[in-house]
Amino acid sequence: DGGITQSPKYLFRKEGQNVTLSCEQNLNHDAMYWYRQDPGQGLRLIYYSQIVNDFQKGDIAEGYSVSREKKESFPLTVTSAQKNPTAFYLCASSAWDRVDEKLFFGSGTQLSVL
Amino acid sequence: KNQVEQSPQSLIILEGKNCTLQCNYTVSPFSNLRWYKQDTGRGPVSLTIMTFSENTKSNGRYTATLDADTKQSSLHITASQLSDSASYICVVSLNNNAGNMLTFGGGTRLMVKP
Repeated sequence: DGGITQSPKYLFRKEGQNVTLSCEQNLNHDAMYWYRQDPGQGLRLIYYSQIVNDFQKGDIAEGYSVSREKKESFPLTVTSAQKNPTAFYLCASSAWDRVDEKLFFGSGTQLSVL
Repeated sequence: KNQVEQSPQSLIILEGKNCTLQCNYTVSPFSNLRWYKQDTGRGPVSLTIMTFSENTKSNGRYTATLDADTKQSSLHITASQLSDSASYICVVSLNNNAGNMLTFGGGTRLMVKP
């Protein structure tokens, strides 16, 4: 059963704590993305990776870090430097279909601050 | 600045009725426009993708239209069902079609009541 799996579904962070959100895909996609979604706002790109061992900052990378050691995995760490981390986090991977890049999203992780 | 504006922000309709959601964008150079459906607490799922040369595209009861001259798109839902209750997100892609070059609208939250 192919797809993108995000875990956990819900996560709580204490002040000064780093937390890591998991994203795994078995679609054999090269590119993976992390987005942040706030109520009423459009998704904003945090980080993306187009190939293993390489990643690039998106529009709102400050306070976040990622790694891409395996093709299947793209974990996101929300560091203590991110002062407003409460949001819904979406991971996506992509494949090219003729001329268009099609994004496939995971089910998301809701992060809240205690 | 590239922007995607959606209206209305929220909409309530009765089951069986039709509705139309609007999307205006200022993204340039434009490549394609996508509509996604996002159930609460889930990741977005693609409904349609249209290039600048396409005026309309259907996916079951969903029909998207595009006017690249006025930079407007609409999503028409016919004979609404309770399962149509979700947020609908308009996404515009810059010319390179990559997932890191997408601009997301804030979405329209649709509620279908029995």
